[in-house]
Amino acid sequence: GAGVSQTPSNKVTEKGKYVELRCDPISGHTALYWYRQSLGQGPEFLIYFQGTGAADDSGLPNDRFFAVRPEGSVSTLKIQRTERGDSAVYLCASSLMGYSGTGELFFGEGSRLTVL
Amino acid sequence: SQKIEQNSEALNIQEGKTATLTCNYTNYSPAYLQWYRQDPGRGPVFLLLIRENEKEKRKERLKVTFDTTLKQSLFHITASQPADSATYLCALVNAGNNRKLIWGLGTSLAVNP
Repeated sequence: GAGVSQTPSNKVTEKGKYVELRCDPISGHTALYWYRQSLGQGPEFLIYFQGTGAADDSGLPNDRFFAVRPEGSVSTLKIQRTERGDSAVYLCASSLMGYSGTGELFFGEGSRLTVL
Repeated sequence: SQKIEQNSEALNIQEGKTATLTCNYTNYSPAYLQWYRQDPGRGPVFLLLIRENEKEKRKERLKVTFDTTLKQSLFHITASQPADSATYLCALVNAGNNRKLIWGLGTSLAVNP
């Protein structure tokens, strides 16, 4: 596609529920990143994929968070047993080369998650 | 400890003036530094990249400087316009094996007509 697409744009859920957030990167971009951002903060790194594999998952806060990219394109961020503290905007970005390059990141518009 | 800091207070300037935003870092050795613009409710958009061996980079009305002695990058917008109003984020990649982007909190800029 023309840009990075994220769905849903808004998700409201109840504490304890399971949530999936989807990211469709720019075609041909091998690197994909998930970040989350709270109001007034910079993006907080969660995970980086190079192709199908998670090359760096050091930012995942705990084992309730998991992400996949089975075919090296679309990625899904999965959050189990959601907590109110998980409320944030989840941003996805893609780039041509990832850690081996210096290229810019192309961000989607984000998925705003609200846990009640 | 390692820190990357940007002006915490919002910057308000008059249209036509030059806006200067600061990014300071502590205990990093950046391989390069990037600047992004973020509008409310949108994802960040890449503006400029400057490498450790570069002093200055320009793109249209934008200029970035990088001083590794002062451990500082400055981001300038000349002839500012109300449409430049946004939050500006700096991010760096530390030299070494971990090439993860490390982000500042951003500085909010308001350009008044």
